[in-house]
Amino acid sequence: DAGITQSPRHKVTETGTPVTLRCHQTENHRYMYWYRQDPGHGLRLIHYSYGVKDTDKGEVSDGYSVSRSKTEDFLLTLESATSSQTSVYFCAISESTADNEQFFGPGTRLTVL
Amino acid sequence: GENVEQHPSTLSVQEGDSAVIKCTYSDSASNYFPWYKQELGKGPQLIIDIRSNVGEKKDQRIAVTLNKTAKHFSLHITETQPEDSAVYFCAASIDFNKFYFGSGTKLNVKP
Repeated sequence: DAGITQSPRHKVTETGTPVTLRCHQTENHRYMYWYRQDPGHGLRLIHYSYGVKDTDKGEVSDGYSVSRSKTEDFLLTLESATSSQTSVYFCAISESTADNEQFFGPGTRLTVL
Repeated sequence: GENVEQHPSTLSVQEGDSAVIKCTYSDSASNYFPWYKQELGKGPQLIIDIRSNVGEKKDQRIAVTLNKTAKHFSLHITETQPEDSAVYFCAASIDFNKFYFGSGTKLNVKP
């Protein structure tokens, strides 16, 4: 998985609790992305980062925030988890937009009860 | 934003046959079209991509065609093998950062 790890790999939490997912890369790639994957929807971009402390919203950013204080780490936070945020979350990285290829991590399965 | 539709949702073929998956997109400004393969329990992996200035691209048993006028692109897999069984996703991108994915096609190659 191109030097990408995600933690935790599985998490069960309750509605209203905060949750933070971590993506860690060892490739020193500039761009990092968070997606969610749901049946019938493919993958949808939540947020992405184009450098340390530089982030932007994706297609489904409501209810999520991100932070990137180091090149290698990109955190996704659900401030107050809801059942609609039950999903599989994937992190991806790319070296540059010109290169285009995004390498995906193994995913985190999050269940919000 | 961009809307990508993918068909069929499931596809079953006999080993050795060809498989074709089709996608349409809505925004004529899209200029990059990757295809990803996802095996069970893993993240998607890029298998082939095409840019808007090219009509067709091949890589061994895999090919992608793009029709910009009709706004559709297709993945062709020839001589399918059981290890080709997976979920395949198409995507379209306008600015190379925001990818819009199709809903996926589950390909089953029967031995």
